[in-house]
Amino acid sequence: DAGITQSPRHKVTETGTPVTLRCHQTENHRYMYWYRQDPGHGLRLIHYSYGVKDTDKGEVSDGYSVSRSKTEDFLLTLESATSSQTSVYFCAMGNTGELFFGEGSRLTVL
Amino acid sequence: AQSVTQPDIHITVSEGASLELRCNYSYGATPYLFWYVQSPGQGLQLLLKYFSGDTLVQGIKGFEAEFKRSQSSFNLRKPSVHWSDAAEYFCAVGESGTYKYIFGTGTRLKVLA
Repeated sequence: DAGITQSPRHKVTETGTPVTLRCHQTENHRYMYWYRQDPGHGLRLIHYSYGVKDTDKGEVSDGYSVSRSKTEDFLLTLESATSSQTSVYFCAMGNTGELFFGEGSRLTVL
Repeated sequence: AQSVTQPDIHITVSEGASLELRCNYSYGATPYLFWYVQSPGQGLQLLLKYFSGDTLVQGIKGFEAEFKRSQSSFNLRKPSVHWSDAAEYFCAVGESGTYKYIFGTGTRLKVLA
């Protein structure tokens, strides 16, 4: 109901394989974000976007890339997944102020 | 660069007792400050936010927070906790202009009946 969806919601993959997570919004928000959530670390910002084709790094961007070719879609790519990237990934959107979060994507890298 | 510290990893309170969750931030200018709540297996929901003005901010579910610039703090309070408040609480700081939001490590609240 918040207008933001993530896919896939669950994924198991093997070390070394590429993985793409998709975030789709229907609210025309300018800003979009990817966070990862790990026990003891809270939410850490991976990358964020402040417009189409405008992105910037967050706190833990190594090993991740993003793309935003349309306002509504923000893709997170792990070029070669590692076990340390096993996590729950949250996408968020906003204009200024409040962030609205997706339900999360649980990624397991074996 | 901004940063957020939530010094309490776990807090346990009895139902009906008062609650205060601590949050300290580091940021050069006036920050945007937020508290979010996450129930198990769920996404995050905004409780309240501070941008400017009155330093005591009211939020949903009976929560409030007070911005204290001199202490670089934005502590979350509730006068009487309900069992349904058991969740994880995250403080966040936003950078004006870039809208880059950094979260703390969270405080997990347990409520005893």
